[in-house]
Amino acid sequence: KNEVEQSPQNLTAQEGEFITINCSYSVGISALHWLQQHPGGGIVSLFMLSSGKKKHGRLIATINIQEKHSSLHITASHPRDSAVYICAVSTFGNEKLTFGTGTRLTIIP
Amino acid sequence: EADIYQTPRYLVIGTGKKITLECSQTMGHDKMYWYQQDPGMELHLIHYSYGVNSTEKGDLSSESTVSRIRTEHFPLTLESARPSHTSQYLCASSELGRGGEKLFFGSGTQLSVL
Repeated sequence: KNEVEQSPQNLTAQEGEFITINCSYSVGISALHWLQQHPGGGIVSLFMLSSGKKKHGRLIATINIQEKHSSLHITASHPRDSAVYICAVSTFGNEKLTFGTGTRLTIIP
Repeated sequence: EADIYQTPRYLVIGTGKKITLECSQTMGHDKMYWYQQDPGMELHLIHYSYGVNSTEKGDLSSESTVSRIRTEHFPLTLESARPSHTSQYLCASSELGRGGEKLFFGSGTQLSVL
């Protein structure tokens, strides 16, 4: 069982819909990362969280340390948001990341 | 904008060939990483470096080797490629910022060994 679980694995939505992607982890963490991977492989770091909530444009990331859970929200989704969204965690004393398998998001015009 | 570059972008080679995947970054980061990713699967760390002349193996066993002679350069070498090495290889670097380590990824090298 992976230490980092994401849901759903695949998500298809209409343009404009509010999107939520979930990440649960089983270990104590020092930080959680949300990454975006476009077709062709390039990965972009979206957020790094250790508590609370962060917002960047239409993207919002939240984390609940007690429940070991994080969510990534996309408001007013657009076809260019179509990508794989990856959750990754680092633990105290170990900066190496453990990755989830990703959520493939497809936004239909 | 991330200033981390990988070459080649795609590579198709025959079994037994020696190959080197290049990774360079111009941000002066000490920490660099190589990840391997199969389609639909999570990234696995195969090598990392925390500075010049410092290299360590990652969590996933790999027959590849790395070197870090210069801060900006972190090449990965396969002495004798096999079909089981077919995968995507992603290079990354990181810097410590407010709130923790921020990651920067290259575009990846898609390796196919025939």
